[in-house]
Amino acid sequence: DAGVIQSPRHEVTEMGQEVTLRCKPISGHDYLFWYRQTMMRGLELLIYFNNNVPIDDSGMPEDRFSAKMPNASFSTLKIQPSEPRDSAVYFCASSPTGVSGQPQHFGDGTRLSIL
Amino acid sequence: QKEVEQNSGPLSVPEGAIASLNCTYSDRGSQSFFWYRQYSGKSPELIMSIYSNGDKEDGRFTAQLNKASQYVSLLIRDSQPSDSATYLCAPGNTDKLIFGTGTRLQVFP
Repeated sequence: DAGVIQSPRHEVTEMGQEVTLRCKPISGHDYLFWYRQTMMRGLELLIYFNNNVPIDDSGMPEDRFSAKMPNASFSTLKIQPSEPRDSAVYFCASSPTGVSGQPQHFGDGTRLSIL
Repeated sequence: QKEVEQNSGPLSVPEGAIASLNCTYSDRGSQSFFWYRQYSGKSPELIMSIYSNGDKEDGRFTAQLNKASQYVSLLIRDSQPSDSATYLCAPGNTDKLIFGTGTRLQVFP
């Protein structure tokens, strides 16, 4: 079975540009999570979806960040405009049920560098 | 107080020894507990889950949970150099996991 698929693997762009990160969850998984990982703050939950509906976006740092899940097999995380402090590794994860049932499976991540 | 506390390490152990990784958490409502291993430059990979007090063994790994003390640990027996990685503790409540910042383990030959 294919795992969680993220694209691109690496992204380098200049400050002020729009950045779009993409994620395809494991088929049949109802939950999708977006995380950001930095050395200083570790792995932070940004937002998660259940059955394509955003449930908790309290981790989204500011209005420059937005996430959508138009269908069960695709989600995007957008940053507009991007800033150097957004440089991090962004992970997408999915799970078949809520955390009390099954663990989360992570994609390979997108390493984002904002110059 | 952080929601999940782990010693950042590095924890250095010789090959063949037992590595003991510890984690405390603040949310008493946490129902499930996971240990993830993350190699440098890679994504977190699940290695253990535990849901009730006591010990759970899987191969060389043993997870221990004490909900009254809000403490969870991971023991790695017969440590190998390939176990060198960062280990993330992640308690879960309802749908979410809260990750600790991880303990870096180094196993030297």
